[in-house]
Amino acid sequence: VVLTQSPGTLSFSPGERATLSCRASQTVTSNYVAWYQQKPGQAPRLVIYHASSRATGIPDRFSGSGSGTDFTLAINRVETEDFAVYYCQQYGNSPSTFGGGTKLEIK
Amino acid sequence: EVQLVESGGAVVQSGGSLRLSCAGSGFLFRDYTMHWVRQGPGMGLEWVALIGWDGNNRQYAESVKGRVTISRDNARNSLFLQMYSLRPEDTAVYFCAKDGAYVNSYGYYFDQWGQGTRVTVAS
Repeated sequence: VVLTQSPGTLSFSPGERATLSCRASQTVTSNYVAWYQQKPGQAPRLVIYHASSRATGIPDRFSGSGSGTDFTLAINRVETEDFAVYYCQQYGNSPSTFGGGTKLEIK
Repeated sequence: EVQLVESGGAVVQSGGSLRLSCAGSGFLFRDYTMHWVRQGPGMGLEWVALIGWDGNNRQYAESVKGRVTISRDNARNSLFLQMYSLRPEDTAVYFCAKDGAYVNSYGYYFDQWGQGTRVTVAS
């Protein structure tokens, strides 16, 4: 399953609502999609799993939604610490695959 | 606090071999499926391999099948990746990652990651 994250870069000002898109080339079984945040020089950090469940310690301004082939990560009132690269992953179809990432940058 | 610490990365010649290690702590290592995930320079993420909690289920990405072996030592809370016949396209940071599902099951997503170990394959 090929995951497409576009655009490659999104620019937002702190306090705005950001929405990131992840589109799959075929239906993701059971909507098994995760989102990860990665900052430069760091390991990825799980943000969302099962399309809409927040991982432990993730602020509630992060939310995930979607089904089938279209999934979204939303960040309400983006904070400075949220600027990073975000990757989606599908694990409903074998093998698990990742999207190419969307960089969320400060406008 | 969960910790995963990788080691073993190096610069190797094409065709060479390398063994990566990952030491886990802060959780019951023996109860969880573990994975290796890699990230090429300036690139995205690629799942490489998984091993079930008891070592009886091993799965590999097609890109590495036949050239890598994943293993674990639950007595020493350690995960390994033995890599053979390395190619320049194997150059990447290799992350050890804990499966996000409950104990003794498979989630295929990753809730804890190590900081990674860098492998460079020179042609």
